[in-house]
Amino acid sequence: GAGVSQSPSNKVTEKGKDVELRCDPISGHTALYWYRQSLGQGLEFLIYFQGNSAPDKSGLPSDRFSAERTGGSVSTLTIQRTQQEDSAVYLCASSPGLGGSYEQYFGPGTRLTVT
Amino acid sequence: AQSVAQPEDQVNVAEGNPLTVKCTYSVSGNPYLFWYVQYPNRGLQFLLKYITGDNLVKGSYGFEAEFNKSQTSFHLKKPSALVSDSALYFCAVRGGEGMRFGAGTRLTVKP
Repeated sequence: GAGVSQSPSNKVTEKGKDVELRCDPISGHTALYWYRQSLGQGLEFLIYFQGNSAPDKSGLPSDRFSAERTGGSVSTLTIQRTQQEDSAVYLCASSPGLGGSYEQYFGPGTRLTVT
Repeated sequence: AQSVAQPEDQVNVAEGNPLTVKCTYSVSGNPYLFWYVQYPNRGLQFLLKYITGDNLVKGSYGFEAEFNKSQTSFHLKKPSALVSDSALYFCAVRGGEGMRFGAGTRLTVKP
């Protein structure tokens, strides 16, 4: 079946502009996660959703970052007033549930470049 | 606080030799442990996981990992490396604070 998809695959934006990154999880997966991967760095956890709820937003780097999920499916990560340090690959993952035994299925990522 | 450490940024092995990619973790309670692989220009793929039971876990592509509770380690191993195993490997732990990933280890297998 279809995996996790993300759009756009690449985004170049000017400093100060807002961007929206989209994630379509695997159908039926109730848990959805956002991560950030900077060049040469590991994965930085940003936020997760169970259904449409995000119980823990403490991983978001600043108040310029926000995320929402609607209909228990598609999620959007929004970065306002982008800065050069926001340049990274943003990864989305989904899993059948929040239980610890579930592995996560990752999308291909969105490469964001802020000029 | 929950954390994962991958002490080696880079591991180089010759094709046909055994490989080990190290991972140690810190988590309260029983850990759920995972290995993921990232091939160039591709997303992360699940390799294997330890939830409970046998300490030796077998996964995709001939990889296996051994859970060692006393050493809080979950090292990834393969008896005979292939050039196609060259990739970035991430260890992850799932605990009360959610999923946390290590910084990654780049494995290079030379012919």
